[in-house]
This record gives sequence, structure tokens and C-alpha cells, in this order.
Amino acid sequence: EVQLLESGGGLVQPGGSLRLSCVASGFTFSNYVLNWVRQAPGKGLEWVSGIKGSGGGGRTEYADFVEGRFTISRDNSKNTLYLQMNSLRAEDTAVFYCAKGVDYGSSIFDYWGQGTLVTVSS
Amino acid sequence: DIQMTQSPSSLSASVGDRVTITCRASQTISIYLHWYQQRPGKAPNLLISTASNLQSGVPSRFSGSGSGTDFTLTISSLQPEDFATYYCQQSYSTPTFGGGTKVEIK
Repeated sequence: EVQLLESGGGLVQPGGSLRLSCVASGFTFSNYVLNWVRQAPGKGLEWVSGIKGSGGGGRTEYADFVEGRFTISRDNSKNTLYLQMNSLRAEDTAVFYCAKGVDYGSSIFDYWGQGTLVTVSS
Repeated sequence: DIQMTQSPSSLSASVGDRVTITCRASQTISIYLHWYQQRPGKAPNLLISTASNLQSGVPSRFSGSGSGTDFTLTISSLQPEDFATYYCQQSYSTPTFGGGTKVEIK
């Protein structure tokens, strides 16, 4: 059974940093693209970043609004996905979901974690 | 970025009704269009991939169609568990989602 478990969310002041983690199980982690998708309170879904699986060379992509503030990474030996978030803004307040792709590179999200809430506020 | 526009943004329907949700892309995306269901407080769930491929375990009352810029999600006979918000998403380029369609009980 595929499972994705996010952690690392919490309350942070504007300008602060936070690192999210997503521990995966139930599939060959290194072979699949992993993504972060966020959802602001009461709003829709917004893709944040993705990192390809082995077949895609581990390439990374970011949404335009990231503007160099976030870094996605993966540790295939630990089956863990990360999102380092710096220079956080109030508008980054959201539930952040880890989402698995259907193969090494496709942006079709077949499994999702339960999400971790990030609140940016003074 | 490719913009995805869903309509309507919300609808009220009764159990047993046929429901249709539309998604339009700002440029052609072939069939790289996927549909998700999200129940309150839960993570999204993939229903249909590449316009019309029903995911394993998803009831056959759900169907998808379309190509190019215009797509449709249809629920043939609405069930109580189908009251949720539905999102389309394109994977032709950097992923983007539609704004969502909330299906409420009439």
C-alpha cells in the first residue's frame, strides 16, 4: 500500500524558513516523480514543485511564484522528499501536500499525503 | 503558464441527477487533462487521467471526455458520497489546476 506522510509544518514568522518532509512507502521511491502541491485555506490546489525520478535524472521544476525561495530535494536512501522554504510570506500559508506521480516524470498525481499546514504570520 | 477554467464554480444537485462539469484550457493540451475529487478535510483523489481513463476503484458513473482545449467530467447518477469539490489539472506543461467545482446537495 502506497503511503505518503508529510511533516514539518507549523507557525513561522514572515521572512522565516521551514523544511517540510514527506516519508514514502509501498513503492520503489527512486523510480517516481514526487511533487509538492499546496492549498491555501478555502482555496484551490496549486502546484509548487516537482523532482523527477531516476528515469528523469532527478530534474527539478518550480512554479513561477516560488521565485527562488524554495528548494525541492529527495533522499532515495531514506525514501524521503523535502521542501526547504525560505523567505516565507503570508501568502504562502497553506496545507502542503506531497503527491506521487504515475511514473518517473508525468505530472499525474495518483497518491497524495494527508498534508501539513504551514502558517506564516507574525 | 496554461490557465485552466472550470465551470460552474459550484452547483446544487440531487441524488440521482446527471452532473456535468466543464474545464477549458487557455491553449491546446491534447489529452493531458486529469480530474480529481476532494472531500472536505481530505487530500485530493485522482479520478480520471488523460481525459478519459478511469482510475482503478473509481465507480463507472464517472466519465471524462474531450481533447485540445475543452473537457468534460460527467457523473451519470449522483450519489451521496459524490458531494465534493472537483478539480481539473493539465500536465501538458508546468502543471496547473482549475479553480474547482463544488458539488452541493440541493
